[in-house]
Amino acid sequence: KQEVTQIPAALSVPEGENLVLNCSFTDSAIYNLQWFRQDPGKGLTSLLLIQSSQREQTSGRLNASLDKSSGRSTLYIAASQPGDSATYLCAVLFRSARQLTFGSGTQLTVLP
Amino acid sequence: NAGVTQTPKFQVLKTGQSMTLQCAQDMNHEYMSWYRQDPGMGLRLIHYSVGAGITDQGEVPNGYNVSRSTTEDFPLRLLSAAPSQTSVYFCASSYLGLLDTEAFFGQGTRLTVV
Repeated sequence: KQEVTQIPAALSVPEGENLVLNCSFTDSAIYNLQWFRQDPGKGLTSLLLIQSSQREQTSGRLNASLDKSSGRSTLYIAASQPGDSATYLCAVLFRSARQLTFGSGTQLTVLP
Repeated sequence: NAGVTQTPKFQVLKTGQSMTLQCAQDMNHEYMSWYRQDPGMGLRLIHYSVGAGITDQGEVPNGYNVSRSTTEDFPLRLLSAAPSQTSVYFCASSYLGLLDTEAFFGQGTRLTVV
């Protein structure tokens, strides 16, 4: 069974710090990987989609990388702000399944 | 710019009651799905559909029914609600292609079964 793991489950950092969130997956045969943000009581907002042929994607202060061979992705957030506080979810579309498999998320708190 | 719309946002049911969670998308996506999100367990797939008239089971389908009569709508029915179905339910949609398939989610329905 393919699995997606996110460590740590929670992270607290001071404002302005650069940070990295980690996502690992058990099978390198993937179509794509997607990072989402979820605010408390809200839905999931797509941040970045990385296709299997890509190594990274950037959007503003966010940069996501993908290393299929090691089964890892990282989400880099530059110059963190209190407004970045949320839960960040990683989801993988494995080649053997048509459905996204989600990690349990990392709850990020950026302290003013 | 509606995207994926879910109704209702909140619902309280008594054990044994039935109800339908509504999901509609206006992006002409072929693929639609329902997830439930529980603390410590992440998002788990309930049912999905690859097009009108086609549905299939996900990881946790028991107690739920779906149908897909149109491309736009994908309702989720709870036949006889149980406390174990207390959860937050999310509907998602995407194009059917396997490469550039960004998934879009609704705002969720928070269901409590008492």
